[in-house]
Amino acid sequence: KAGVTQTPRYLIKTRGQQVTLSCSPISGHRSVSWYQQTPGQGLQFLFEYFSETQRNKGNFPGRFSGRQFSNSRSEMNVSTLELGDSALYLCASSLEGLAFSYEQYFGPGTRLTVT
Amino acid sequence: DQQVKQNSPSLSVQEGRISILNCDYTNSMFDYFLWYKKYPAEGPTFLISISSIKDKNEDGRFTVFLNKSAKHLSLHIVPSQPGDSAVYFCAAMPTGANSKLTFGKGITLSVRP
Repeated sequence: KAGVTQTPRYLIKTRGQQVTLSCSPISGHRSVSWYQQTPGQGLQFLFEYFSETQRNKGNFPGRFSGRQFSNSRSEMNVSTLELGDSALYLCASSLEGLAFSYEQYFGPGTRLTVT
Repeated sequence: DQQVKQNSPSLSVQEGRISILNCDYTNSMFDYFLWYKKYPAEGPTFLISISSIKDKNEDGRFTVFLNKSAKHLSLHIVPSQPGDSAVYFCAAMPTGANSKLTFGKGITLSVRP
């Protein structure tokens, strides 16, 4: 069974631009969660999508948004990029979400650099 | 405010010895705890977990201990191997609907041959 895939793996953007990252979960998984990893803050939860609906949200500004498609693939978007948005963005998939199972599988991440 | 704290950013141990990674939490609503391991250029992978109804869970070389009164957990790796060198994240969550994981900042473990 194929794992979680994220595209692109690396991205360089300029401050003020917007960016879209993509995540394809493991086949059959309906929940996708997004996390931001930075050296200073560690891993921080962004949001979770389940069956095309946002089910949970972390403490990030509205510039961070996401969506999920009917095939469970998910995208996250960051608008008006700031230097502090430079981070590794990880997505994780699970069958039904953390409320029902503690098993979630992470993708390799997208490394975003904002200059 | 960091609700899950891994106060030591790094740990170096000799191969064959015990590695002890510590984690503290402040939110008393947390009742399920997980450890993840992360290699460079890869996503975190689940290592071991423990529910608040237990104080110990063991899986091969890995044992997690939970002290609820102290809001402290630790991961023991015995014996440590060079392949264990990675970043280890402690994570915690309350059970129930809309649960989400809160992670610590991670500890970089180096196991010297």
